[in-house]
Amino acid sequence: AQTVTQSQPEMSVQEAETVTLSCTYDTSESDYYLFWYKQPPSRQMILVIRQEAYKQQNATENRFSVNFQKAAKSFSLKISDSQLGDAAMYFCAYKSLSTGTASKLTFGTGTRLQVTL
Amino acid sequence: DAGVTQSPTHLIKTRGQQVTLRCSPKSGHDTVSWYQQALGQGPQFIFQYYEEEERQRGNFPDRFSGHQFPNYSSELNVNALLLGDSALYLCASSWARQGNTGELFFGEGSRLTVL
Repeated sequence: AQTVTQSQPEMSVQEAETVTLSCTYDTSESDYYLFWYKQPPSRQMILVIRQEAYKQQNATENRFSVNFQKAAKSFSLKISDSQLGDAAMYFCAYKSLSTGTASKLTFGTGTRLQVTL
Repeated sequence: DAGVTQSPTHLIKTRGQQVTLRCSPKSGHDTVSWYQQALGQGPQFIFQYYEEEERQRGNFPDRFSGHQFPNYSSELNVNALLLGDSALYLCASSWARQGNTGELFFGEGSRLTVL
């Protein structure tokens, strides 16, 4: 079974600064997807960024980028130019391609990000 | 375009009771999955429904059951409630034809408190 570990329960960043959230995972599979989801106080999970394991290039979405180290099984999220609206819980998630559908994700325990003025 | 909607948003039950939670998927989606998110934890996969059948199941007891209707909406039923069932229950929908690449869209969840 796959596991996802987020070792930073809380992080804080000043507005306009850069912050990196860490995630490691354990799997014996070679093909999979990794995700970062954001969960604001509204509780709705919102997809931030996705990385396919077969792609060596790190995914980027505007101010969000990842550092994907497949051999090290590490998948960190970098948020640049942090904004007050970035404050939320951030979850790292793993999806096995062997399950056949998009539905089953394995989540980490989350990192609460605070953004200060 | 309505996203994933869930009801009720909050509810309180007592131990031993039964609860039904409801979910309407995003327009155009035909697959619904349910997750349990305990306080301070990440969501855990309960099960997935497609074509009105349970297709995948996580490590949850038979007290957790579900149903999918012809209009793709879904219900999650939990029998014989335990204190440990207190959690946020999230529904997520996707389009089966997108297979593994399909993005999951989540609702805002139903907060269940068991006293």
